[in-house]
Amino acid sequence: LAKTTQPISMDSYEGQEVNITCSHNNIATNDYITWYQQFPSQGPRFIIQGYKTKVTNEVASLFIPADRKSSTLSLPRVSLSDTAVYYCLVGDYGRNFVFGPGTRLSVLP
Amino acid sequence: DTGVSQNPRHKITKRGQNVTFRCDPISEHNRLYWYRQTLGQGPEFLTYFQNEAQLEKSRLLSDRFSAERPKGSFSTLEIQRTEQGDSAMYLCASSLYHGTTNEKLFFGSGTQLSVL
Repeated sequence: LAKTTQPISMDSYEGQEVNITCSHNNIATNDYITWYQQFPSQGPRFIIQGYKTKVTNEVASLFIPADRKSSTLSLPRVSLSDTAVYYCLVGDYGRNFVFGPGTRLSVLP
Repeated sequence: DTGVSQNPRHKITKRGQNVTFRCDPISEHNRLYWYRQTLGQGPEFLTYFQNEAQLEKSRLLSDRFSAERPKGSFSTLEIQRTEQGDSAMYLCASSLYHGTTNEKLFFGSGTQLSVL
């Protein structure tokens, strides 16, 4: 099961772009990179998923370098409501997803 | 698409009692997962089903835990003889798995269990 490393916490201010980097040195060929967001007392919410290069949706962008040993979740112009825990997962299918403690993002006014 | 539904949202029980949680996945989803989450930690895998078949159980799932998905739709997770260490958020997730490697899990809001 691929292990990931991401910062335990980050602070930002409203309106700023936030980049959260995740390391996954032992990523396997079939593994995708998936990011989830979790608010207190709720289940994780799917944000974005990618395999290589760049993926963008209405919420975030995911940047994956050619060696795929890391990835960066980019949240444009964060607001207070983006305060949450963000999890980076690496795996080929759900059973192999391993949730670490995630990154606790605090957005300040 | 009404999302993954879990009931109850909260459950308080006394040590030694049995509890049962229910999960209704997104209707067309064939895979269903159960996770447990304690404060400050990420969710931990417990077990999962593909249709009605339980494909794997974690070592975390002691003999007091049992999960079913009788008709490949909703699932129940039962904990017998609850212990204080069972206090946690129990999360259910579902996915539409079609053999590719980019599975996406959709989670419910969880059931918060408190064992007194």
